[in-house]
Amino acid sequence: KQEVTQIPAALSVPEGENLVLNCSFTDSAIYNLQWFRQDPGKGLTSLLLIQSSQREQTSGRLNASLDKSSGRSTLYIAASQPGDSATYLCAVLKGQNFVFGPGTRLSVLP
Amino acid sequence: DAGITQSPRYKITETGRQVTLMCHQTWSHSYMFWYRQDLGHGLRLIYYSAAADITDKGEVPDGYVVSRSKTENFPLTLESATRSQTSVYFCASMSVGGSNQPQHFGDGTRLSIL
Repeated sequence: KQEVTQIPAALSVPEGENLVLNCSFTDSAIYNLQWFRQDPGKGLTSLLLIQSSQREQTSGRLNASLDKSSGRSTLYIAASQPGDSATYLCAVLKGQNFVFGPGTRLSVLP
Repeated sequence: DAGITQSPRYKITETGRQVTLMCHQTWSHSYMFWYRQDLGHGLRLIYYSAAADITDKGEVPDGYVVSRSKTENFPLTLESATRSQTSVYFCASMSVGGSNQPQHFGDGTRLSIL
């Protein structure tokens, strides 16, 4: 059974700092990995999707990498801003089944 | 407006009652999903649908019923609500199966069962 974990569970950083969020999964036979952002009381917003054949994806200040062999993905956020404060979740897709990690709650302090 | 709309946003009901959560998407996406989000468990898949009239169970389907007579609608019914079904429910859609398509989520329904 696929299991997804995320470290750390919570993170607080000062504005402007670069940071890395980690996602690990137990079954490397995945189709893709997605990173989402969730604001309080809201649904999930897709940030980046990395297909199994890809190593990384970039969007603005966000960069996500995927290492299937080690079962790991990282989300790098450059020059963090208070507006980045949210919970970040990763999810892996195998077949039609998405499995989500528990999330990392990020606070960026002004 | 384009997107996924869930209704109601908030619902309080009693144990044993039937309750239906609605999900409507305007993109004509083939795939639709229902998740529940609970502290300590994260997001878990309840049911999904690959097309109209095609549905399949996810990780936690017991106590739930779904239907999909039209591509744009995917209602979730709790036939006899229990307190353990108190949760936040999210509907999502995806255009087609495949490894390069993201999921899009609604804003959720917060359901409390007393």
